[in-house]
Order: sequence, then structure tokens, then C-alpha cells
Amino acid sequence: GDSVTQMEGPVTLSEEAFLTINCTYTATGYPSLFWYVQYPGEGLQLLLKATKADDKGSNKGFEATYRKETTSFHLEKGSVQVSDSAVYFCALSETGNQFYFGTGTSLTVIP
Amino acid sequence: KAGVTQTPRYLIKTRGQQVTLSCSPISGHRSVSWYQQTPGQGLQFLFEYFSETQRNKGNFPGRFSGRQFSNSRSEMNVSTLELGDSALYLCASRMMGPTNEKLFFGSGTQLSVL
Repeated sequence: GDSVTQMEGPVTLSEEAFLTINCTYTATGYPSLFWYVQYPGEGLQLLLKATKADDKGSNKGFEATYRKETTSFHLEKGSVQVSDSAVYFCALSETGNQFYFGTGTSLTVIP
Repeated sequence: KAGVTQTPRYLIKTRGQQVTLSCSPISGHRSVSWYQQTPGQGLQFLFEYFSETQRNKGNFPGRFSGRQFSNSRSEMNVSTLELGDSALYLCASRMMGPTNEKLFFGSGTQLSVL
């Protein structure tokens, strides 16, 4: 069945450091891939998405590229800020049906 | 436009009791999904409702049930509560359609079972 595996946290970085959060997936078809972010005390909100192989999703300085050959969708940001501290979830959905989420990666950015 | 609203925000129950959680989706969204979030398991899919019909269901016991009303509002019920049911329960709504894959989440109901 479909599933998402993302790197264990927590991750602690200094401000302006480079961020990578790894995500790999298993799917029977051709899913859309997503990164959602959850700030403290809030629900999840969509950060970026990609719908087909080699697509790059980007938003707020974050990027992720849909790599079919490695079944990966790693999240990157060149220079993190304190305000980026949150929990990040990788997710997939095939044709807009059921969504599968990873376990989440907690990021803390220290000044 | 108002976001997804979940009530109550916090709940404390004891084992064996039952609980009902409520979710009001964004206006115009006819799909409502429920997720259980725990620190070790991340988000686990419970079920999805569309036009008052359950469309998908996750791997949870029958103690977890839900329904959707004609105004798209949804309720989730958990009977015979167990300690392991303590979690944040998230509701998400979306427009339906092949290009409408964006989920809009509420802030959740934090359920503690003592």
C-alpha cells in the first residue's frame, strides 16, 4: 500500500543554516506529493506540492523536487529563520483520494 | 472566509466514556476528513465524508465512527474510550475534484483520556 517515510527528528539548527528534511514514498501509481507545516497550537497548512515527476514545488523559500527514480521529495531551505520552527509533514495522495502522511519532523531554529 | 472550526478545543474524559467531536468545514467544501495525531505515529487517517456518505475509512476499530450532515458539518464519535485514544484529533476539509488536493485543517481537539 501507499506510505510515506520521513527522517526522524527533532532537528535543531542555528538561524541561517541550511535545512534538509528527507522524505521517501511508496505508491502503486503516480501520486501527488506535499509538504505540510504545523506551527505550535495550530492545524496543518499546505507548504508546497508537486504533482508529477521532476516538478519542483516552492513557497516561502522552501523547495522540494519530485524524484520518481529515487521515490523522494526532500524538503530544503537555504537559510532558516526562527519563525520556521514547526513540525513538517510529508504526504502523498493518488488522484486526490486518501492522503498518507509521514510521522512528522520537528524543527527548532535557535537565534 | 472562515477557516475550519473544531469544537471543543480540549476534552478530558475517563476510560469507558464516549465523546463526540465537531467539525465545521470551510464554506463550500463538501469533503471532511478526520485524522488522529500522536507523537509517535504522526497523522493516522480515520475516515472521509463527502455529501453525507463515508467515502474512505482508515484502520481504526469500530469504536470510532463519524457522520456528516447536509450542511457538510461533521461529527466524530469515540465510544468506550481507552487510554490510547488520547491524541489530537484533526479535521480537514477540501473541495472535491482531481485538481483540488489541498487540505485545510482545523486547530484540532486535544482529547485526554484518564
